[in-house]
Amino acid sequence: DTAVSQTPKYLVTQMGNDKSIKCEQNLGHDTMYWYKQDSKKFLKIMFSYNNKELIINETVPNRFSPKSPDKAHLNLHINSLELGDSAVYFCASSQQHTGPYEQYFGPGTRLTVT
Amino acid sequence: LAKTTQPISMDSYEGQEVNITCSHNNIATNDYITWYQQFPSQGPRFIIQGYKTKVTNEVASLFIPADRKSSTLSLPRVSLSDTAVYYCLVGDPWSSASKIIFGSGTRLSIRP
Repeated sequence: DTAVSQTPKYLVTQMGNDKSIKCEQNLGHDTMYWYKQDSKKFLKIMFSYNNKELIINETVPNRFSPKSPDKAHLNLHINSLELGDSAVYFCASSQQHTGPYEQYFGPGTRLTVT
Repeated sequence: LAKTTQPISMDSYEGQEVNITCSHNNIATNDYITWYQQFPSQGPRFIIQGYKTKVTNEVASLFIPADRKSSTLSLPRVSLSDTAVYYCLVGDPWSSASKIIFGSGTRLSIRP
């Protein structure tokens, strides 16, 4: 029973397209995150949502828009994809009482922009 | 913001104990120390978290000296499957101003 799941696992698309990545957690957590891990393996936080409310919005192009329809879902929509968006995107979740440093990560979505 | 410094890579052999040290000289009073493990092609996995002295769980031990300016993740009797990147994070879990920063991590390679 997967705790944090992401779809799709792989995404290959062309520059200029718009795509979405979906994330769901069944842990009952109230905070969810999106991270980007580039080819050099640096993992950077992009967004954080707590109870459907945006908490963290790091310096990310506004082509990236997170959407949280409910506490268990946090989707990432990317407009006008660029070559530099190629990376692995991870979704994660945590619960308020243990704090944001104990996070559970999804398996990742490898996005390749050609 | 407490910056962390870890060795870029370490090698060891199966059955050995491995200790990975993280320096965090400007750790703040309310900061905790957290370690994650990341296998290739997977998301990071929370291993252990501590504030001071020693914390142990089924996976690892975390040693934190009294001055808290460093911490050591100890993996007992490693196996090939412990080959991964290990990240040390420092921050206040209860502050909305805390930044979650994964550094470059330590790439641990275990040989037979």
